[in-house]
Amino acid sequence: EDQVTQSPEALRLQEGESSSLNCSYTVSGLRGLFWYRQDPGKGPEFLFTLYSAGEEKEKERLKATLTKKESFLHITAPKPEDSATYLCAVFYEGSGAGSYQLTFGKGTKLSVIP
Amino acid sequence: DTGVSQNPRHKITKRGQNVTFRCDPISEHNRLYWYRQTLGQGPEFLTYFQNEAQLEKSRLLSDRFSAERPKGSFSTLEIQRTEQGDSAMYLCASSADGYQPQHFGDGTRLSIL
Repeated sequence: EDQVTQSPEALRLQEGESSSLNCSYTVSGLRGLFWYRQDPGKGPEFLFTLYSAGEEKEKERLKATLTKKESFLHITAPKPEDSATYLCAVFYEGSGAGSYQLTFGKGTKLSVIP
Repeated sequence: DTGVSQNPRHKITKRGQNVTFRCDPISEHNRLYWYRQTLGQGPEFLTYFQNEAQLEKSRLLSDRFSAERPKGSFSTLEIQRTEQGDSAMYLCASSADGYQPQHFGDGTRLSIL
């Protein structure tokens, strides 16, 4: 069964304490992986798309990397405003011809303490 | 900002009632998706449209659920005879095509009394 697993489920960091979030996946027909940020009561906000192993993307304090089996979201010197749930989603061929779907992990809830 | 817009933001209804949600996608996007999200979980795919055609439906989409996208613009999701288990956040997303990132609205939170 196709699966996306994120770890840890929750992470508390002191302001400035760098860390990484993990997203591992087992899907067939993978076409790419997306990272999203979700604040309470809001919809997911798009951060990055990664299409192939070895690819890296950066945005401010965030850097996303992709291997054949997992992706990492590195957070460098986080600030309290980085507190949110971070979701990864794998993008793969669906059951219908020409269809593509996203399967999301459960997310990592990040709390950055001042 | 012409992001994805969803209405209403919150809906409280009694069990057994019908409810309808609306989604207005980003105007140039051809694809529109519906997801359901419960507390502590990631969004789960329900269905998607390419223009006005509904191309795929998840097993999660029971017969009580129906979605439409007339004229390939806005979309509606209707739930008939609501049940307690329907309580969730219903999210809509749109994308330019099947390969581009999906951009989400802020959802409609449904609470069943």
